[in-house]
Amino acid sequence: ELKVEQNPLFLSMQEGKNYTIYCNYSTTSDRLYWYRQDPGKSLESLFVLLSNGAVKQEGRLMASLDTKARLSTLHITAAVHDLSATYFCAVALSTGNQFYFGTGTSLTVIP
Amino acid sequence: DAGVIQSPRHEVTEMGQEVTLRCKPISGHDYLFWYRQTMMRGLELLIYFNNNVPIDDSGMPEDRFSAKMPNASFSTLKIQPSEPRDSAVYFCASSYSAVAFFGQGTRLTVV
Repeated sequence: ELKVEQNPLFLSMQEGKNYTIYCNYSTTSDRLYWYRQDPGKSLESLFVLLSNGAVKQEGRLMASLDTKARLSTLHITAAVHDLSATYFCAVALSTGNQFYFGTGTSLTVIP
Repeated sequence: DAGVIQSPRHEVTEMGQEVTLRCKPISGHDYLFWYRQTMMRGLELLIYFNNNVPIDDSGMPEDRFSAKMPNASFSTLKIQPSEPRDSAVYFCASSYSAVAFFGQGTRLTVV
């Protein structure tokens, strides 16, 4: 069974600080996704990482993928309040197209 | 395109009643997924379809749950009979190749 684990589960950080969210998964996959969910809302796609060593950046967020270590990171640079949300990583199996989600990291940025 | 459309947005029903959730995927997408989100279990993949054919329903919790996709533009998730533990947000998502796009979800409350 595929396991996708994120840490930390909860993150409270001050504006202007940097932090990294980690996503580990238990089986072979070359497709990893990061989503954002605001309270009571749907999931919004942030990044799609399709190969080992892939790095994507959008604003204050940067995602990377190491398929050999089965690890993805989401790095937050100089956090601002608008980044407060829950962030999910998701892994797609190499043998199919189903997406399995991590536990989510609830991020709160404090002014 | 209007994105993935789910209905109803909210549903409150009594235990034992039949509940039907509806989903219209994005036109041209060949994969459709049903997820359930709860605080305790996070995002669970219930079932997914490829070209209207159910591929993997191993996530469907019990025989009370069933899903259909009669054509490329419509899918239903039915719970009969419903139970309080079915209370959750149910998301439908569709994809073509890499990224899955999510609907706004249906918040189901079974009392």
